[in-house]
Amino acid sequence: GAVVSQHPSWVICKSGTSVKIECRSLDFQATTMFWYRQFPKQSLMLMATSNEGSKATYEQGVEKDKFLINHASLTLSTLTVTSAHPEDSSFYICSAGRLAVYEQYFGPGTRLTVT
Amino acid sequence: DAKTTQPTSMDCAEGRAANLPCNHSTISGNEYVYWYRQIHSQGPQYIIHGLKNNETNEMASLIITEDRKSSTLILPHATLRDTAVYYCIVRPYTGTASKLTFGTGTRLQVTL
Repeated sequence: GAVVSQHPSWVICKSGTSVKIECRSLDFQATTMFWYRQFPKQSLMLMATSNEGSKATYEQGVEKDKFLINHASLTLSTLTVTSAHPEDSSFYICSAGRLAVYEQYFGPGTRLTVT
Repeated sequence: DAKTTQPTSMDCAEGRAANLPCNHSTISGNEYVYWYRQIHSQGPQYIIHGLKNNETNEMASLIITEDRKSSTLILPHATLRDTAVYYCIVRPYTGTASKLTFGTGTRLQVTL
């Protein structure tokens, strides 16, 4: 149990376009979802926290107008990278938490390459 | 959250125990020690967590010193599939999922 999926697993897009990444909890209701970003040879950096039905809370330095997060249901959160640039190329990982459980369950990640 | 210090990298022979240390000298009384690992190009995987008592599960054992200023994650019989970056994270137990602050971790290389 407690499986989190991400789609797509990898995506290539052109500079200036937008790309949407989906994060789904397959067998549980995720009251909270987290979005992380990881550049090559670096650690994971939290971008934002989202609770179902409310606005996401962004970490300092993360542009909320560029990285749009929607958590419209208890099983789905989306991250949209708007007007992507090559410096947005990274590994994006989501995780999900459920009520009264301390663990986070991580998705497999999405590799974004902006050309 | 309290800061943690881990060695950058470690090697371990397959079949031997891998002992990964973590220093968390500024840990507070309400903070737990969590361990996650990340296999290359995958999402992190939860391993184990503890407060002050030693813990064991099917994946690993966690030994926390009496003063709680350091801990050791033990993989009793390392295999090649255990090659990964291991993260030691200290954070309060809030009863529900809260954000994780990842450090640089220890890159464990298991060799034949």
